[in-house]
Amino acid sequence: EAQVTQNPRYLITVTGKKLTVTCSQNMNHEYMSWYRQDPGLGLRQIYYSMNVEVTDKGDVPEGYKVSRKEKRNFPLILESPSPNQTSLYFCASSLGGGEYGYTFGSGTRLTVV
Amino acid sequence: GQQLNQSPQSMFIQEGEDVSMNCTSSSIFNTWLWYKQDPGEGPVLLIALYKAGELTSNGRLTAQFGITRKDSFLNISASIPSDVGIYFCAVGTYKYIFGTGTRLKVLA
Repeated sequence: EAQVTQNPRYLITVTGKKLTVTCSQNMNHEYMSWYRQDPGLGLRQIYYSMNVEVTDKGDVPEGYKVSRKEKRNFPLILESPSPNQTSLYFCASSLGGGEYGYTFGSGTRLTVV
Repeated sequence: GQQLNQSPQSMFIQEGEDVSMNCTSSSIFNTWLWYKQDPGEGPVLLIALYKAGELTSNGRLTAQFGITRKDSFLNISASIPSDVGIYFCAVGTYKYIFGTGTRLKVLA
């Protein structure tokens, strides 16, 4: 089944403790992207990647890092999480860029206390 | 940054009614997409529009790409309870922008 898999689905952590949210897609898509969703603010793009080793900032990249060492994986790294990063995070992938639509994962709900 | 404004923000409708929502921007875009997000899930692509003035249908859903390229409209005919969710418009290729969303609730 074609899908984007994120792990974990739920995570509670403490301020300052580094964490990684993994994302993997099995569709051989070139484009991958991370979003956060907050009430009243909708979905905002954090980082995107157009191919292996090619990444760029979205609208809200502060406090996040990404890497794209393999085509299928696009982990999101929070080096020193803070409470304002408490949010619902989505990873997504696309064959031809956003104009052709993204396939989204099921989300990771992160709480930073 | 750029914004896509959707209206209405939320709506309650009776089952069987038709629904209309729109999405507007201050900038021109060459592609408009519509997604639906079910509770607890990621958004799912419904319709993509690639040409100004284009009208595209997907079952009971019909979307239009505004002639000015600054807006788009989504209509749902004969709504059913499973139409409940949040509907988002989106634009962009690499940098991707989502609208603020329209939350739809259907009363059986």
